[in-house]
Amino acid sequence: GAGVSQSPSNKVTEKGKDVELRCDPISGHTALYWYRQSLGQGLEFLIYFQGNSAPDKSGLPSDRFSAERTGGSVSTLTIQRTQQEDSAVYLCASSSQRGGQHEQFFGPGTRLTVL
Amino acid sequence: GESVGLHLPTLSVQEGDNSIINCAYSNSASDYFIWYKQESGKGPQFIIDIRSNMDKRQGQRVTVLLNKTVKHLSLQIAATQPGDSAVYFCAENKYGGSARQLTFGSGTQLTVLP
Repeated sequence: GAGVSQSPSNKVTEKGKDVELRCDPISGHTALYWYRQSLGQGLEFLIYFQGNSAPDKSGLPSDRFSAERTGGSVSTLTIQRTQQEDSAVYLCASSSQRGGQHEQFFGPGTRLTVL
Repeated sequence: GESVGLHLPTLSVQEGDNSIINCAYSNSASDYFIWYKQESGKGPQFIIDIRSNMDKRQGQRVTVLLNKTVKHLSLQIAATQPGDSAVYFCAENKYGGSARQLTFGSGTQLTVLP
């Protein structure tokens, strides 16, 4: 399995709690993306990491959302004080700048349910 | 704001028939388009892409057509099979600062009937 992996696959939490979602990109991929997908909707861009550059956080919906990428590999998306409207599938993708910057390889997603 | 959208949210076709999924985009500056397939419980999977300097591109059983004049692209699937049942997204590439982001449409649910 050399694809993008995400954990957990499902997360149920109570309103107000913090959650952390993890993404392991494909080894060697320099770019990493987080998206949110609500039921029956397209993908909403959240944040983008490219190499050692400052991340593009323009898609984060509020200051409750943050993400980091350690060592240019694994990334964690953190949602603080979760709200019911945060319920969605959170998808991570990675891409190789050398191989074709546009083709993003997606993980299976983490389904977040906020009660 | 500009966005990518789809004409039809659902499409049902008989097994063996050809499928055509349509997508409209509004950002004339977009120069790259991708079709993704998303099966239930999985992340989107790249199918085929096309750059704006092309009108047509063919893959295995799939063809993407781009009409820049009316800002429309379509995905054609030949001899549709049950395994083709999925949600299909088109996405456009927007240039925004130093980051490249894909803007996705809401998707079309393709159902292949036996």
